[in-house]
Amino acid sequence: SAVISQKPSRDICQRGTSLTIQCQVDSQVTMMFWYRQQPGQSLTLIATANQGSEATYESGFVIDKFPISRPNLTFSTLTVSNMSPEDSSIYLCSAPGLRGVYTFGSGTRLTVV
Amino acid sequence: GQNIDQPTEMTATEGAIVQINCTYQTSGFNGLFWYQQHAGEAPTFLSYNVLDGLEEKGRFSSFLSRSKGYSYLLLKELQMKDSASYLCAVRGAGGKLIFGQGTELSVKP
Repeated sequence: SAVISQKPSRDICQRGTSLTIQCQVDSQVTMMFWYRQQPGQSLTLIATANQGSEATYESGFVIDKFPISRPNLTFSTLTVSNMSPEDSSIYLCSAPGLRGVYTFGSGTRLTVV
Repeated sequence: GQNIDQPTEMTATEGAIVQINCTYQTSGFNGLFWYQQHAGEAPTFLSYNVLDGLEEKGRFSSFLSRSKGYSYLLLKELQMKDSASYLCAVRGAGGKLIFGQGTELSVKP
C-alpha cells in the first residue's frame, strides 16, 4: 500500500489566517482525497484531488474555502482559508495503493483560536 | 445519495466475539472497506469486500451481501487493544471512499 507523509501534524492558528497542509505519497497515484474529521465524528470527504485538473468538491465544501493543488502524481496540498473556530478539526489525506487499499496520512490536528 | 449506517457504540468483554453491522444505500458500489481507528491516530485498513461472502483474516472477518446492502465485521477473541472506532466505508463512483459514522467499541475485562 502507498505510504503517505502528511505535515504539519498539528497547528494552532489565529482566526482569519490560512493554513496549508501537505501530503507526499511514496508512489504515483491517480487520485488523492482530502477528509475532515471533526471531534468525535467520522471522516467527511472534502474533495478529490486530480492531477492536471481542478479538484472535485463534495456538497458543502467550496474551492474558495479549501483550495487544493495537485502539481504531480505524488503530492497534494489542502489550504484551509480564512479560518474560524468551526474549522478546528483533523484533516487527513488519502490515496489508493496498488492493490486498491486506501491508506491515510497521519492527519493534521488544527485548532483555530 | 449516500447513506451508510452503523451503530454508534458497542461494548463487549475480553475474549468474546462481537459483530459490527453496516448497512448502506449508495449511488454506485465498488467495494466495502472496514477500517480501525484508535483515538488520535489515522484509520488503518482491516478488510475489503467486493463480492458477496465472507473474508477471513486472522481474528477479523468481514461479510458482504450486495443485494441487501449489508456488511458486518466480526472480531473474535477480543483483546483490550481492540477498543477503537470501527469505520465502514463504501467505494462509490469516481473511486471516492464514503464513510459511515463509525462504531466506538469498548472492550472490558
